Amino acid sequence: ELKVEQNPLFLSMQEGKNYTIYCNYSTTSDRLYWYRQDPGKSLESLFVLLSNGAVKQEGRLMASLDTKARLSTLHITAAVHDLSATYFCAVDIGTDKLIFGTGTRLQVFP
Amino acid sequence: DVKVTQSSRYLVKRTGEKVFLECVQDMDHENMFWYRQDPGLGLRLIYFSYDVKMKEKGDIPEGYSVSREKKERFSLILESASTNQTSMYLCASSTQPATQYFGPGTRLLVL
Repeated sequence: ELKVEQNPLFLSMQEGKNYTIYCNYSTTSDRLYWYRQDPGKSLESLFVLLSNGAVKQEGRLMASLDTKARLSTLHITAAVHDLSATYFCAVDIGTDKLIFGTGTRLQVFP
Repeated sequence: DVKVTQSSRYLVKRTGEKVFLECVQDMDHENMFWYRQDPGLGLRLIYFSYDVKMKEKGDIPEGYSVSREKKERFSLILESASTNQTSMYLCASSTQPATQYFGPGTRLLVL
């Protein structure tokens, strides 16, 4: 059975600190997506990672993909309150179907 | 700007009612998707469509059907709503291969 697992499920961190969210998946895939969801809102695309070794950065967020290890990471640098949200990774298993992880709820406090 | 709209933000229905959720995208995307989102379960794919009048079952199609008569519109139908279908429903569209763009979601409560 295909699984996409995120760790941790919940993350409470202080402003200014660094942390990494992990996304492990159980099948071969060369495409992985990261989304952000604010409370009560829909999903917003953050990153698309299209090959092994891909790295994308936007502001304080950096995502990477290791297809051999079936692992993607979302690294947060010097967290700020505005980054508080739920973050989902999603694996493209072909035919443009995505399998989503259960999400990581991030809370940044002063 | 990419836009996916859903017909309702909130819906309250009675058990046994037939429920229609509509999704419209203005990006001329081939692919459209319906998901439901429940706490602790992430997003689960109900149905998707690659083209007009085409549909494919996702992971949890039971109790649902879909209709795609026009490229821009994808409808999710709950033939006889049940309380376990209370959820957040999200529609998305994409072109191949690309990011899926999501609508604002419909919160459905079945009493």
